Amino acid sequence: KAGVTQTPRYLIKTRGQQVTLSCSPISGHRSVSWYQQTPGQGLQFLFEYFSETQRNKGNFPGRFSGRQFSNSRSEMNVSTLELGDSALYLCASSPGQGAYGYTFGSGTRLTVV
Amino acid sequence: DAKTTQPTSMDCAEGRAANLPCNHSTISGNEYVYWYRQIHSQGPQYIIHGLKNNETNEMASLIITEDRKSSTLILPHATLRDTAVYYCTPSGGSNYKLTFGKGTLLTVNP
Repeated sequence: KAGVTQTPRYLIKTRGQQVTLSCSPISGHRSVSWYQQTPGQGLQFLFEYFSETQRNKGNFPGRFSGRQFSNSRSEMNVSTLELGDSALYLCASSPGQGAYGYTFGSGTRLTVV
Repeated sequence: DAKTTQPTSMDCAEGRAANLPCNHSTISGNEYVYWYRQIHSQGPQYIIHGLKNNETNEMASLIITEDRKSSTLILPHATLRDTAVYYCTPSGGSNYKLTFGKGTLLTVNP
């Protein structure tokens, strides 16, 4: 079956702009999580959604937001981009209930210039 | 969040078993121990998870100590393609998130 699909794969934005990243989970998975990966901070949790509800949020400023649609697809938005937002953004999906491993997508590489 | 401690790096000869330790002494009673690995620039890949009992799947075995404060991931016959950063991360309950530390860079040598 198809894996987790993230679009776009690469993105270059200018400081001050905003960006929207998209994630399509594995069919049947109702939980979608987002992570930011940078060389300095490693993998950090952004937020998790289940059935369109945010169940947990990481320690990121309000410029980072997300949402989940009724078909479980998810988007995350970063407003007023800063140079430090340059990172690999990873999306992961899981059935959402019970102890299951998360399946990660290949990520979106965001570069802010 | 439960904290984890893993060796920064390890080497293993191809074909030999790779044993990767993880200390998670602050793990909560309802948290599972998950192991993931990440090959450069790719998304992390789920390997295995467990609560109390030892677990085995087609990729690896997981040994969890009786007090649940540490675990060991075993790759029985390491190959060059197993070279990656390996992360252990407790998760579960109402957590709904994975907390990644620095992980262990496993290098499998020919």
